Amino acid sequence: GDSVTQMEGPVTLSEEAFLTINCTYTATGYPSLFWYVQYPGEGLQLLLKATKADDKGSNKGFEATYRKETTSFHLEKGSVQVSDSAVYFCAPPREGFQKLVFGTGTRLLVSP
Amino acid sequence: SQTIHQWPATLVQPVGSPLSLECTVEGTSNPNLYWYRQAAGRGLQLLFYSVGIGQISSEVPQNLSASRPQDRQFILSSKKLLLSDSGFYLCAWSVRVGYSGYTFGSGTRLTVV
Repeated sequence: GDSVTQMEGPVTLSEEAFLTINCTYTATGYPSLFWYVQYPGEGLQLLLKATKADDKGSNKGFEATYRKETTSFHLEKGSVQVSDSAVYFCAPPREGFQKLVFGTGTRLLVSP
Repeated sequence: SQTIHQWPATLVQPVGSPLSLECTVEGTSNPNLYWYRQAAGRGLQLLFYSVGIGQISSEVPQNLSASRPQDRQFILSSKKLLLSDSGFYLCAWSVRVGYSGYTFGSGTRLTVV
């Protein structure tokens, strides 16, 4: 069945460091791919999405490119801030497109 | 604009007591509705989803049930809570999942004691 693999955390970085969180998925043909963010004690928020192959989604300095050939959707940010400390979830749609498949989440800890 | 309301925010319940969590969506019609649970330090587990009134799909057999009495209302229930039901419960809605993803509510932190 559909699955998504995220790099395990926690990822610990210093402020202004470069961030990459890897995400790969098994199925193909998704209309869109999504990254969600969960700040402590809160629900999930949509961080960014890419709506077709080779499309780059971006928001709040984060970027991710829908790579159909490598079935990947890695999240990147050039300079992280303490306020970026959160859990990040990669989420492609499940085949049939009625549900999303969530990765296990990657906790990011940014220290000053 | 569309909004999703989930309540209560926090709940402490004794083992064996009933549960009712409510989720409502405003500003859209015939949304897909979802209940997820997130155990402490764990990922998201899809519990139930609904594509219409009275239509409930269960992802995992468990001590919980869901109902959709109205188009934009989704209720998660239990007759007798277990300690293992503790967790963070999230409601979400979507119209075109494959293109728009979900919008989540703010969650309910349930502690069963």
